[in-house]
Amino acid sequence: GNSVTQMEGPVTLSEEAFLTINCTYTATGYPSLFWYVQYPGEGLQLLLKATKADDKGSNKGFEATYRKETTSFHLEKGSVQVSDSAVYFCALAGTYKYIFGTGTRLKVLA
Amino acid sequence: GAVVSQHPSWVICKSGTSVKIECRSLDFQATTMFWYRQFPKQSLMLMATSNEGSKATYEQGVEKDKFLINHASLTLSTLTVTSAHPEDSSFYICSAGTSGDPYEEQYFGPGTRLTVT
Repeated sequence: GNSVTQMEGPVTLSEEAFLTINCTYTATGYPSLFWYVQYPGEGLQLLLKATKADDKGSNKGFEATYRKETTSFHLEKGSVQVSDSAVYFCALAGTYKYIFGTGTRLKVLA
Repeated sequence: GAVVSQHPSWVICKSGTSVKIECRSLDFQATTMFWYRQFPKQSLMLMATSNEGSKATYEQGVEKDKFLINHASLTLSTLTVTSAHPEDSSFYICSAGTSGDPYEEQYFGPGTRLTVT
């Protein structure tokens, strides 16, 4: 069945550091891929998405490229801010269900 | 953009009582809504898929008689936790799509935090 594997956290970075959160997937067909962010005590907000191979999703300085050959959708940001501290979820959509990764907690220190 | 609301945002109830959580799509019609449960510092676990006008489809291991789901209209789904116990305390999140396309983006509600004492 479909699955998403996300790197375990927590990830602690200094402000302005480079961020990578790895996400790989297994799926039949061609799923859509998403990154969601969850701030403390809140629901999920869509950060970015990609619906086909080689698509690059981007938002608020975050980027992720849908790599079919490596079945990956790694999240990157060139310079993180304290306000980016949150939990990030990689998700796969297909067959009428979302499959979420386990989430990666990011803490950015000033 | 599409907005999903949940009510209440938090609720405290006594053990043995029932509590109802509402999920509404505010500016679109949602044929299908999804209910998730999230434990502290963990990922979202899909509980059930709610279809307007028909019975919900529950994931394996989710008690149908304990978590009653009703999708009364194209903009409202409700989750009722019956005879709640402390182990039911959790963060419950709903989501909905705008077209029923399985590959589309889901819009998530802000979540409801349930505490059972």
